[in-house]
Formats: sequence, structure tokens, C-alpha cells
Amino acid sequence: GAGVSQSPRYKVAKRGQDVALRCDPISGHVSLFWYQQALGQGPEFLTYFQNEAQLDKSGLPSDRFFAERPEGSVSTLKIQRTQQEDSAVYLCASSLGGPRGYGYTFGSGTRLTVV
Amino acid sequence: GESVGLHLPTLSVQEGDNSIINCAYSNSASDYFIWYKQESGKGPQFIIDIRSNMDKRQGQRVTVLLNKTVKHLSLQIAATQPGDSAVYFCAENALGDKVIFGPGTSLSVIP
Repeated sequence: GAGVSQSPRYKVAKRGQDVALRCDPISGHVSLFWYQQALGQGPEFLTYFQNEAQLDKSGLPSDRFFAERPEGSVSTLKIQRTQQEDSAVYLCASSLGGPRGYGYTFGSGTRLTVV
Repeated sequence: GESVGLHLPTLSVQEGDNSIINCAYSNSASDYFIWYKQESGKGPQFIIDIRSNMDKRQGQRVTVLLNKTVKHLSLQIAATQPGDSAVYFCAENALGDKVIFGPGTSLSVIP
């Protein structure tokens, strides 16, 4: 597609509910990144894929967070047993290679509100 | 630990004036830096980047300056326009693909 597409755009979850956030990267982009952005703050790195391989998941805040990219294209970020502190915008970005010389192309994000 | 911070969290400028947004970084291993612009409800948008072997890079109406001695980065926007109103983030990258973002500066352009 023309850009990185994320769905849903908004998600309200009750505390304890599981959620799944979807990212469709730009076609052909090898690298895919997930970031978490709290209100008024900069994006915080969560995890990174190169094709289907998850190369870095050091930013995932707990074992309730899980990401996958089984076929090297679409990725899903899953949050189990959501907590109020999970409320944030979840951004997905893709890149032809790494960030150097290409930068990342970000989607508009999914705003998650846990009530 | 690694961190990227900003001196000015908010900045208001008159339309037509030049804007300067500053950023400090602490990871001396970082050798690639990016400035992003984020408008409300959208993801960050790449503006300009610079590698550590350079101290200045120019784009269209934007210039990035890098001072490795004091670990300081700045973004200069010439002839600021209302469409430049947004939050600006500096970001750094060391080896690998992880990019670390700073907290951001909100730029408001007064017509």
C-alpha cells in the first residue's frame, strides 16, 4: 500500500481484556517496528522484526505483551490482561532496511484506552 | 542509561521567523540522528537525518546541526509557517536498528 496502515484506529478495552493491534507495513519493507507513545511523551521502542524474525524485543514492558509477524508482512501486537498503564498510542513503522538513509515510515497508530 | 532529551518543551514563534529546536543526547555511541515531526493524530514523519561524520546538513527550509563535543543536536526551520506547528522529536541510533526518541518539543506558529 501507499503507507503503513494500522487498525483499529481506536480501541477501548476493559481492564483484564485481551487486545490485538494490527499493522500492515508498506509492501516490500523488510523491517517492522512497534513503539508505545504515552500522552505527551516520545515514542518508546517495543520490538523489531526483520522479515518474520523478531530480532529485538527488549522494549516489551512485560510478558503480557507479545508480537508476531508470521509471514514477514502483517504484524500483530497482542496485549493480554490489559492494565490501565497500557493506555497509550501504539505506533507501527516499517523500513526497507534499517533506519539509516531510509528513516522509518510510521502509521497513524492505534490509541488504546483501558478503562 | 541511554537518553535523548530536549531543552525546550514548548516553543512559540511568529510566522516568518526562524525556529530553532534543541536536543541533547547522552549516548556517545550514537552515530546517526533523525528529526521527526508529529502532527496531532498522526505518526511521526521523517524530516531530516545526519550521520556523526557530519556537523551540518541542509534540506528544504530545514538545517540540522550536530555538535558531538557537547552531544547536542539542533533543528533550524527557516521562515516558519503555520503548517510547521507540530511536535518535533530528535532520535538517535547506535549500532543496530533501534531508534531512541527524545521527549519532544511542541512548536506553535503564531500567524
